[in-house]
Amino acid sequence: KAGVTQTPRYLIKTRGQQVTLSCSPISGHRSVSWYQQTPGQGLQFLFEYFSETQRNKGNFPGRFSGRQFSNSRSEMNVSTLELGDSALYLCASSLDWDGANVLTFGAGSRLTVL
Amino acid sequence: AQTVTQSQPEMSVQEAETVTLSCTYDTSESNYYLFWYKQPPSRQMILVIRQEAYKQQNATENRFSVNFQKAAKSFSLKISDSQLGDTAMYFCAFMKHRYNNNDMRFGAGTRLTVKP
Repeated sequence: KAGVTQTPRYLIKTRGQQVTLSCSPISGHRSVSWYQQTPGQGLQFLFEYFSETQRNKGNFPGRFSGRQFSNSRSEMNVSTLELGDSALYLCASSLDWDGANVLTFGAGSRLTVL
Repeated sequence: AQTVTQSQPEMSVQEAETVTLSCTYDTSESNYYLFWYKQPPSRQMILVIRQEAYKQQNATENRFSVNFQKAAKSFSLKISDSQLGDTAMYFCAFMKHRYNNNDMRFGAGTRLTVKP
């Protein structure tokens, strides 16, 4: 069974640009969550998508957005990049059938903003 | 708001010995889940163990076990017979027992090094 796949694994952008990251969940998983990991702030919840709808949202500015497609694949977008957006972005998927599911994480997308 | 605190930024242990990682949390919820995740240097987060707050019995997974003290809001991880492959960042995490909510809150992590 394939795991959670994130692309690209590494990318470099400059301030002001925008970036789109992709996440393919484990087959059958309908919930996809996104997290930002930085040395200073640790792991922070960005948002969660379920059945193409954003179900929960963390405390991030509107520059951070996402969407989910009918096949459960998800993308997140960061517009007007700032230096502080440099981070490892982790995607996690889950079955979501018992109210609190184990999250299975992808390897992450390492974003560097110059 | 839920907060998770890991007070040990770094720890080390000799191979084959036992080590305990600490975690405390703050919540007003009565039902919730607690997790320990491991993030090896390759970065992929892996679930180590999961505890349901309404179960009094401590969870165990092979060499990994937890000491869950609900009243004290403490959730420590014990690794027995430590192996070199246990070297990783370990994150304690909290999730409310709610449907339609997979918002997981993490501690700052403990970097564990297993020495040969």
